Amino acid sequence: DTAVSQTPKYLVTQMGNDKSIKCEQNLGHDTMYWYKQDSKKFLKIMFSYNNKELIINETVPNRFSPKSPDKAHLNLHINSLELGDSAVYFCASGLTSGANVLTFGAGSRLTVL
Amino acid sequence: AQSVTQLGSHVSVSEGALVLLRCNYSSSVPPYLFWYVQYPNQGLQLLLKYTSAATLVKGINGFEAEFKKSETSFHLTKPSAHMSDAAEYFCAVSETPGNTGKLIFGQGTTLQVKP
Repeated sequence: DTAVSQTPKYLVTQMGNDKSIKCEQNLGHDTMYWYKQDSKKFLKIMFSYNNKELIINETVPNRFSPKSPDKAHLNLHINSLELGDSAVYFCASGLTSGANVLTFGAGSRLTVL
Repeated sequence: AQSVTQLGSHVSVSEGALVLLRCNYSSSVPPYLFWYVQYPNQGLQLLLKYTSAATLVKGINGFEAEFKKSETSFHLTKPSAHMSDAAEYFCAVSETPGNTGKLIFGQGTTLQVKP
């Protein structure tokens, strides 16, 4: 069973469209994250939710809206997509009471044309 | 603010040779330090972690890293490289528990292993 699963794995869309990426974890973790990996492979945190509460929002444009319906799910919705949004988006989960070890999903590659 | 610097964006070694990937960190509090590996088109996998216990940390696949506070370093080593070690390696730092669990990553080092 996949511990952190993301869908879709690949997403190709036009500028101006709205798209969503879904993430689910079955590890019983209490915190979930979205990271963005750019074309130079640099990883930067975007959001973090702890038990459905937003705890990190790293100056991400408000076109990006995370939603956590429960602590096992964290979705990412992106409005009015721009060319610069092309990247690989990684979902991760962890236990804040633990040693900050994160388990990552396989990534969702978003290409905006 | 915490930060991580990985020296060398690309490291090339021969199969069987020593692997050394360098990582230096900056943190105002005792850090937790991690190495993650990313194989092509995959997510990140934890190699090893330092959480203020033993300074020499052993991880999976024969990798180990040593925490040196005086040098603010956490370099990753493996005595003998294998072709399957070719991947992207990321060093990361986190504050101690009780906060957000956020990881700050270095810019990554691509390891190439030549036959």
